[in-house]
Order: sequence, then structure tokens, then C-alpha cells
Amino acid sequence: EAQVTQNPRYLITVTGKKLTVTCSQNMNHEYMSWYRQDPGLGLRQIYYSMNVEVTDKGDVPEGYKVSRKEKRNFPLILESPSPNQTSLYFCASRRTSGTTDTQYFGPGTRLTVL
Amino acid sequence: KQEVTQIPAALSVPEGENLVLNCSFTDSAIYNLQWFRQDPGKGLTSLLLIQSSQREQTSGRLNASLDKSSGRSTLYIAASQPGDSATYLCAATGANNLFFGTGTRLTVIP
Repeated sequence: EAQVTQNPRYLITVTGKKLTVTCSQNMNHEYMSWYRQDPGLGLRQIYYSMNVEVTDKGDVPEGYKVSRKEKRNFPLILESPSPNQTSLYFCASRRTSGTTDTQYFGPGTRLTVL
Repeated sequence: KQEVTQIPAALSVPEGENLVLNCSFTDSAIYNLQWFRQDPGKGLTSLLLIQSSQREQTSGRLNASLDKSSGRSTLYIAASQPGDSATYLCAATGANNLFFGTGTRLTVIP
């Protein structure tokens, strides 16, 4: 089954404690991205990756890092989380082929930073 | 920077009604326009994608239209059902990014 998985699904942490949210896709997609969703602001892109070892900033990259060492994985790293990073995070992979452009989203990770 | 707006923010309709959700975007230089559905506590499910060269797409009871020149898209849902209750998001696709609206929360009342 084609899917994007994220772990953990729920996380409560404290300010300054480094954390990593993992994302994996089994569709061999080159393009992957991370979004955060906040009430009244919609989904905003944090980082994206066009392929292995190719990453770039989205609209709200401050306070986040990513890496893309393998095609299937795209972890999101918060080196020193702060309360304003409390949010719902989505990983997505993207398939583009001819007239098709399909985004596959993970189930989301709800992060609370105290 | 692309800005996407969805109106209304919330909508309640009785079962069986036809309804229209609106989406507007500020930059017409888009690759495509997508509509997603989001159920509470869940991820996003792609519903329809309209290429920039297309005017509309249909899938079952859903029909989405695109007018690039005016920066507008609509999602038409025919004969609404309680199972249609969800938040509907539109997203304008650029080269490397999707720009999302804040969504319309739809409630279909049995």
C-alpha cells in the first residue's frame, strides 16, 4: 500500500530538548516536504527536498532542520524546540508524471512544546 | 508571494443540498490547483487536481472549476451527504511549493 508514515504521532516535550520527527514514503518519490498547520494560518511549508541530498527552505524554516540521505526518508529536526513550534506537522511526498501531480500526506504529528 | 483565501470558513447544510466552496488566489502563475479533504485528526486526502490549462475536473459528485485569469476556483458538491462533513482545503501549486488556504469546514446535517 502506497503510504507516507510519520513517527511519533503525538509528542509532548519541553523547551530546548532536541527532537526528530521521522517521515518515510514507500513510493520512490523524489520530492518530499514538511508542513505545519496552525489554526487560522492553514498549512505552511517548512522545508522541501527535490531529491537525495537536495533540500531547500519553504516559507517558515526558522528553528527547523532537515536531511535527505535516502530517497524514502525525510526527517524533521528541531534542535531547540520552543513553544511557538507547538503545531500539527505533516510530511508529504509528491508524484509528478505528465498531467498528474499528486501529493500524498502522512497522518500528522501533533507536537506540544511546554 | 502567493496568498490563498477560502470563503466561507464554515458551512452547515442539510443533507441532499448542492453546495459550492470558494477559493481565490493572488498569483495566476500556478502549475495547478488542488482540492483536499481533511477529516478531524487525520491527514489530507487529494480530491481533485486541475491543471493550469484546464477549466474543470469532475470526480463523482465533485466538480472543481478553475479560472486563472480571475484567480478563482470553486468546488461543487452535489447531493451532499453526512459523510461529506470535513474540512476542505484548496492549494495553488507553484514550482516547489503548495500554497494552502485555511479551509472551509463543512457540516452536512442528516
